Amino acid sequence: LAKTTQPISMDSYEGQEVNITCSHNNIATNDYITWYQQFPSQGPRFIIQGYKTKVTNEVASLFIPADRKSSTLSLPRVSLSDTAVYYCLVGGINDYKLSFGAGTTVTVRA
Amino acid sequence: NAGVTQTPKFQVLKTGQSMTLQCAQDMNHEYMSWYRQDPGMGLRLIHYSVGAGITDQGEVPNGYNVSRSTTEDFPLRLLSAAPSQTSVYFCASSSFRRGDTEAFFGQGTRLTVV
Repeated sequence: LAKTTQPISMDSYEGQEVNITCSHNNIATNDYITWYQQFPSQGPRFIIQGYKTKVTNEVASLFIPADRKSSTLSLPRVSLSDTAVYYCLVGGINDYKLSFGAGTTVTVRA
Repeated sequence: NAGVTQTPKFQVLKTGQSMTLQCAQDMNHEYMSWYRQDPGMGLRLIHYSVGAGITDQGEVPNGYNVSRSTTEDFPLRLLSAAPSQTSVYFCASSSFRRGDTEAFFGQGTRLTVV
């Protein structure tokens, strides 16, 4: 499994855009990049997944440069309810064992 | 469609006691797994299963047993609880879709061993 590195914490204010960058220098050709969100006392929840370029859904955008050695999760116009831990995972087709690091704790303030 | 259901939500055990954490999913997912999460840390994989009758060890399997007799259920057994097993336990399930690593997690079981 490719190792990932992401900031431990980030602070933001309501209405701002939050960008979390994850480094994965050893990503393999078949690996996908997946982000999960975890609120206190809850299990992680899938946010978005991508392989290359840009992926967007109703919750977030995922930007992946051509070399795929990093990726950026973008949360537009955050609210207090976006306060959570965000995990970046990298895994391939045969990797059914998800590897979670410590994640990034995002705190949104009023 | 309930997703992934874990029981109980909270449990206190004495050292040396045994218990089973239950996990059930109704999405017909083939892959199921158990994780533990300690304060301030990410999730660590305990055991996983890629289908009924097939299980394997994850990163921290010692002290835990699993079995998978049906697609829906994946119980986690603590044979002799130790204080080091105090943690929050999450069960997850996912499909075998090619390239799809999305997993669905239960709400967790908070276990305290005294």
